[in-house]
Amino acid sequence: SSELTQDPAVSVALGQTVRITCQGDSLRNYYASWYQQKPGQAPVVVVYGKNNRPSGIPDRFSGSSSGNTASLTISGAQAEDEADYYCNSRDISGSWVFGGGTKLTVL
Amino acid sequence: EVQLVQSGGGFVQPGGSLRLSCAASGFTFSHYDMHWVRQGAGKGLEWVSAVETAGGTYYQASVQGRFTISRDTDKTSLYLQMNSLRPGDTAVYYCAVGVPASPKYYFVYWGQGTLVTVSS
Repeated sequence: SSELTQDPAVSVALGQTVRITCQGDSLRNYYASWYQQKPGQAPVVVVYGKNNRPSGIPDRFSGSSSGNTASLTISGAQAEDEADYYCNSRDISGSWVFGGGTKLTVL
Repeated sequence: EVQLVQSGGGFVQPGGSLRLSCAASGFTFSHYDMHWVRQGAGKGLEWVSAVETAGGTYYQASVQGRFTISRDTDKTSLYLQMNSLRPGDTAVYYCAVGVPASPKYYFVYWGQGTLVTVSS
């Protein structure tokens, strides 16, 4: 099965822009979706498809993709954005796969 | 209001069995794929299994042959029968609702999670 690779940890100064990336062969055929998870809570989808946000997700969250890499960008990071972020896509075998997760620290 | 109410977790010895349930309401159950995703303590999300709207099933390699996913449209419920459990299966198990809009697939709703502990 495919794998999705994420940096384990990223930090950003309050109000600055941060990009979290996800690499994997499956991303050449499927869009990534991105999930925010705070301690003790279930994940929440923040971006999916080419660059779609569910209702209620702030527009500072955006997504992009190129080749085998998908990116989640947070423009003007807020303290409440500190969380773990996971990418996911379907893979060529028909199953699904998550990235290892990125811990975002807002300084 | 969408609700995914999970039950069935608990403590079991290696080699034992458990059945997880996820009762869904607030959306048209038959229109969505359903998934199980797990998370070990301090670890990342791990996709486990899925059942599509048409009944097709998928499993992660490590659970293939031991776990069986099923759905009951009349009861709007999802199940995961877990047999031959191993300590490595210890995790919080989430049920999740998948939107079958390939290639922009995503999990739109998540249950609260239920803890499965496999230990002697």
